[in-house]
Amino acid sequence: GIQVEQSPPDLILQEGANSTLRCNFSDSVNNLQWFHQNPWGQLINLFYIPSGTKQNGRLSATTVATERYSLLYISSSQTTDSGVYFCAVQGGKLIFGQGTELSVKP
Amino acid sequence: DSGVTQTPKHLITATGQRVTLRCSPRSGDLSVYWYQQSLDQGLQFLIQYYNGEERAKGNILERFSAQQFPDLHSELNLSSLELGDSALYFCASSASGSDSGELFFGEGSRLTVL
Repeated sequence: GIQVEQSPPDLILQEGANSTLRCNFSDSVNNLQWFHQNPWGQLINLFYIPSGTKQNGRLSATTVATERYSLLYISSSQTTDSGVYFCAVQGGKLIFGQGTELSVKP
Repeated sequence: DSGVTQTPKHLITATGQRVTLRCSPRSGDLSVYWYQQSLDQGLQFLIQYYNGEERAKGNILERFSAQQFPDLHSELNLSSLELGDSALYFCASSASGSDSGELFFGEGSRLTVL
């Protein structure tokens, strides 16, 4: 089955810093989504991005499907950005990576 | 608010018991997915239903079963519960039954087995 690897596993930032999270996947996929799981456990949709680039406020994402990776950019991070960021791909079912745990310090 | 509703939000029960988790998908969505999130296994796909029919099956134990009803809501039944079944159970829905639809997740049902 498809393997999904996220890096880094953990990240600590000072408020205001920028970061890039990476997601590698082992096979071609028809769907790629980024989620934020907040400290209360809620999974919040960030991007549906099987290919190309999208931006939403301070967040943006790029998927290069031919090279089997996706990047999530967080700019001017805020403490409310803390939580776990998951990449998930679908080639039959949505398969999640292990996540990047982000902690933003004031 | 994703539009996917899960009940109950929290559930505490004892080993050997049986529980039912309920999910109402977003209006118009035909696919329902169930996922389990535990500390050691991460987010694991359990099962998918599309318009009442089972579409895909993942790592779902034989003690677990699910169904999707004509009004499209779904229930996940967990029986003979063990301590290791303690987890956050998510339901998700999408408009599509194919590989490419965007999934939207409910807030989850947190199950604690004592």
